[in-house]
Amino acid sequence: GENVEQHPSTLSVQEGDSAVIKCTYSDSASNYFPWYKQELGKRPQLIIDIRSNVGEKKDQRIAVTLNKTAKHFSLHITETQPEDSAVYFCAATPLGSGGYNKLIFGAGTRLAVHP
Amino acid sequence: GAVVSQHPSWVICKSGTSVKIECRSLDFQATTMFWYRQFPKQSLMLMATSNEGSKATYEQGVEKDKFLINHASLTLSTLTVTSAHPEDSSFYICSARDRVQGGVWGAFFGQGTRLTVV
Repeated sequence: GENVEQHPSTLSVQEGDSAVIKCTYSDSASNYFPWYKQELGKRPQLIIDIRSNVGEKKDQRIAVTLNKTAKHFSLHITETQPEDSAVYFCAATPLGSGGYNKLIFGAGTRLAVHP
Repeated sequence: GAVVSQHPSWVICKSGTSVKIECRSLDFQATTMFWYRQFPKQSLMLMATSNEGSKATYEQGVEKDKFLINHASLTLSTLTVTSAHPEDSSFYICSARDRVQGGVWGAFFGQGTRLTVV
């Protein structure tokens, strides 16, 4: 089955700097890659996603890139702010999941943005 | 936007009893819902995929008879933890996909249920 690895597990940056989180996946048939942000004690929130037919997607300060050949995708956050501090999860949807589009999550990255 | 409501938010039960957790899609129809388990400071582990009107599909290693899933309607799925033991204590969270918004592949999550078995 699909396996998603996420790095780093923790990331500390200064306010205004950029943050990059990387994920690799094992199932070459995976075709959808969302990123979720989870604040302490709250539910995960979808922040950006990308499909396998697109190489890059941007939404204001966040962007996601996908390299299908290498089977990895990355989350980029520019001009980080303290409110960006949270745990970020990447996920992949194996194509063979019976059409149900189940999500397999990475281990998470705890991002801390220091003022 | 799509709202998923999960109840209860927290529950404490005695060892050996059963606990039912509800997951509702409030403003959309969800043919498929997912149940996850999350340990402190860890990732979300998929337990099962719940399909309206049919049996749930469980992930490897998840006991079907212990974690009973029912998806009786397009807006409600339930997870029952039977004969709960302290090792079942965890954060259980559901998610659902909007059947109509085909372009929205991302799942929306409930607020989660913290189960403590004493």
